[in-house]
Amino acid sequence: EVQLVESGGGLVEPGRSLRLSCTSSGFIFGDYAMSWFRQAPGKGLEWVGFIRSQPYGGTSEYAASVKDSFSFSRDDSKGIAFLQMKSLKPEDTAVYFCARVGQLASAYYFDLWGRGTVVTVSS
Amino acid sequence: DIQMTQSPSSVSSSVGDRVIITCRASEEISYWLAWYQHKPGEAPKLLIYAASSLQSGVPSRFSGSGSGTEFTLTITSLQPEDFATYYCQQASRLPYTFGQGTKLEIK
Repeated sequence: EVQLVESGGGLVEPGRSLRLSCTSSGFIFGDYAMSWFRQAPGKGLEWVGFIRSQPYGGTSEYAASVKDSFSFSRDDSKGIAFLQMKSLKPEDTAVYFCARVGQLASAYYFDLWGRGTVVTVSS
Repeated sequence: DIQMTQSPSSVSSSVGDRVIITCRASEEISYWLAWYQHKPGEAPKLLIYAASSLQSGVPSRFSGSGSGTEFTLTITSLQPEDFATYYCQQASRLPYTFGQGTKLEIK
């Protein structure tokens, strides 16, 4: 089955770190860029950033709100994308989603999503 | 950043109705726009990309139109499974941004 499953969420104190995983199945993971999003309680979707596939350099782009504290990585041999979050703040509390970046009609759209994992930043 | 504004924020409709959701971009984005459906606890789902292209597997009762700064998502003959929140997203340039969402509820 083609799917993405996020894991690693939980309750964490402000200032601490957390690493989320996005495990893929059913497609050639290394062929795709992978993106992360979040949805704060009662809010809409927010793009966090993406990591390109290795043929495109494996580089990343980040939203300004997380640029200095979040980083992406990927293990193509295992089909897993990672989101490393440092210096977490209460405003980082959200459901975090990963998504596959489909290059459709010469632009980046997000054609496969996971169900998300909940991150709560609180003391 | 490009601001995306959806209207209405919520709408109540009945099974069989037609619903139109509007999305406005704060600047010209050509046809670089997508629509997603999201139900609580589920994975968001891509419905439409490039403003009017139907994603594979999506029912034909969903359609998108528009270009420039004004876009619409139309759902004809609403089905029970269509009650969800819908988001538009611009893919013109980074950072990618979403509308605030339109919650479609059963009347």
